[in-house]
Amino acid sequence: SQQGEEDPQALSIQEGENATMNCSYKTSINNLQWYRQNSGRGLVHLILIRSNEREKHSGRLRVTLDTSKKSSSLLITASRAADTASYFCATDVSNFGNEKLTFGTGTRLTIIP
Amino acid sequence: GAGVSQSPRYKVAKRGQDVALRCDPISGHVSLFWYQQALGQGPEFLTYFQNEAQLDKSGLPSDRFFAERPEGSVSTLKIQRTQQEDSAVYLCASRGTSMDTQYFGPGTRLTVL
Repeated sequence: SQQGEEDPQALSIQEGENATMNCSYKTSINNLQWYRQNSGRGLVHLILIRSNEREKHSGRLRVTLDTSKKSSSLLITASRAADTASYFCATDVSNFGNEKLTFGTGTRLTIIP
Repeated sequence: GAGVSQSPRYKVAKRGQDVALRCDPISGHVSLFWYQQALGQGPEFLTYFQNEAQLDKSGLPSDRFFAERPEGSVSTLKIQRTQQEDSAVYLCASRGTSMDTQYFGPGTRLTVL
């Protein structure tokens, strides 16, 4: 079963605009990760935020985590055509850390050139 | 190798046939994971190995699914008597240490006719 849900399910924006997608989850977590998946390819790890962190940056990516609301957001600034992909949040709920990931349903992002 | 590799990339099977999917993890990675991704969904955990030990197989959907990693490196996911509902992309991931992220292969797309 899916742990989380991404919102929106699909998002189309113009190149250069910012894209924001949200993830909600159900149980307490050790960390939350965001992955990107291009059509027909495997998952690429983007960023990890631990349960005691509130915000993290990596290049054009900004991730926030609100454990009280059990939610996270991923912001991609200055979007590019190459950002077109599906984005998934994944939570680690295992006792020993990162043994298995529970993925959300994904947001399909389309960047319009 | 440079990354996780999986073979075959595509597999078409007739209902009732047995299939075997192979995963070559990143050299030296201790942990190996299998996930199943149905069309339009996020990946769902199947099973987890630490070296040759299968520590968690709670996600395997039925006893028709079997995974092994006899020498702690290459892993094989076997599905017996395939059914149409087994059609999905099967993803393999490996991880070096418990603090590392999971690195995913490109997946094997299984279609059961």
